[in-house]
Amino acid sequence: GAGVSQTPSNKVTEKGKYVELRCDPISGHTALYWYRQSLGQGPEFLIYFQGTGAADDSGLPNDRFFAVRPEGSVSTLKIQRTERGDSAVYLCASSLTALPYNEQFFGPGTRLTVL
Amino acid sequence: DAKTTQPNSMESNEEEPVHLPCNHSTISGTDYIHWYRQLPSQGPEYVIHGLTSNVNNRMASLAIAEDRKSSTLILHRATLRDAAVYYCILRDTNRDDKIIFGKGTRLHILP
Repeated sequence: GAGVSQTPSNKVTEKGKYVELRCDPISGHTALYWYRQSLGQGPEFLIYFQGTGAADDSGLPNDRFFAVRPEGSVSTLKIQRTERGDSAVYLCASSLTALPYNEQFFGPGTRLTVL
Repeated sequence: DAKTTQPNSMESNEEEPVHLPCNHSTISGTDYIHWYRQLPSQGPEYVIHGLTSNVNNRMASLAIAEDRKSSTLILHRATLRDAAVYYCILRDTNRDDKIIFGKGTRLHILP
């Protein structure tokens, strides 16, 4: 079956621009997570959704970052006024529920490069 | 949040067993022990999880110490495709929550 997909796979943008990163979770998964990963580091939590609502957005680094999941399926991570330090791989994951015994299924990530 | 400690890197020969250790001395009674791995240029993938008893699945085995303060992920016969970063993670059974990743162990497989 189809796994988690993310688009685009690569995004190059200039400092100060706005970007949107999309995540299509596995059908029927109610929980959706965003992480970002810098080179040589483990993934860093950003935000997760249970259904349409953000259950925990404590990992968003500042108010330039925002995410939505309006219909409880597809999610978009939005970054305003991008900075060079935002360059990273942005990973999306989904799970049947957010309960800890449900495994998370990860997408391949979007590599964001801010010039 | 309870933390885990893993070696930065390990090496193993192809077709030999690999034992990846993880220390979690501050684990609480309600924490599950999860392992994920991340192959090069891919997102992490689930490997195995357990609470108290040892667990086996098609990918690996998880051996949990009696006091639960440490665990070992066992790959019974490593292949080159098992070269990855392996993450040991604790998740509280009482909370709907995110995964907190550490730096993991980078496993190198020698042909």
